Amino acid sequence: KNEVEQSPQNLTAQEGEFITINCSYSVGISALHWLQQHPGGGIVSLFMLSSGKKKHGRLIATINIQEKHSSLHITASHPRDSAVYICAVRSRRTSGTYKYIFGTGTRLKVLA
Amino acid sequence: NAGVTQTPKFQVLKTGQSMTLQCAQDMNHNSMYWYRQDPGMGLRLIYYSASEGTTDKGEVPNGYNVSRLNKREFSLRLESAAPSQTSVYFCASSEWPAGIQPQHFGDGTRLSIL
Repeated sequence: KNEVEQSPQNLTAQEGEFITINCSYSVGISALHWLQQHPGGGIVSLFMLSSGKKKHGRLIATINIQEKHSSLHITASHPRDSAVYICAVRSRRTSGTYKYIFGTGTRLKVLA
Repeated sequence: NAGVTQTPKFQVLKTGQSMTLQCAQDMNHNSMYWYRQDPGMGLRLIYYSASEGTTDKGEVPNGYNVSRLNKREFSLRLESAAPSQTSVYFCASSEWPAGIQPQHFGDGTRLSIL
């Protein structure tokens, strides 16, 4: 079982719909990162959070540390939101250094 | 404002050839990373450099070497390329590995090994 699981793997929505992408993890973390990978392949950071909720424009990210779960919400979705959304957690190694563990991504397609 | 720049963007190699992927960042970040991305799998860390002068192995270091040339540049070398190393390679940087600042990624290098 992967240490970071995302659901759904694929999602198709109509323009204007409210979208939720979920991320569950099984390790202790110090932070969680949401990334967006464009169809061309570039990766952009959306949010990094360790507690509570963050909002940027139409995007909202929440995290529940006790439940080891995070959600990324997109309000009023638009075709330009079509991308792969990746969840990554920052976890501490036994050596004291840090590592990132990445989910396999959720492929979102928003239809006009 | 370039951010993280990777070269080349595409490369085709024959089995056994060597090559170096270049990465440079202009954000004065201390930490740099090399990842590979394969279909159906999350990004996997190959090597990282927490700060200038240090490098450490990630999850999948076999077949690769790295050099942290200076604070800006972090290169990844394939000494004898194998088909299993066909992948998309991403370089990333962050202020510190444990800081609250996120990683910034380059646009990737698509590498095919025949």
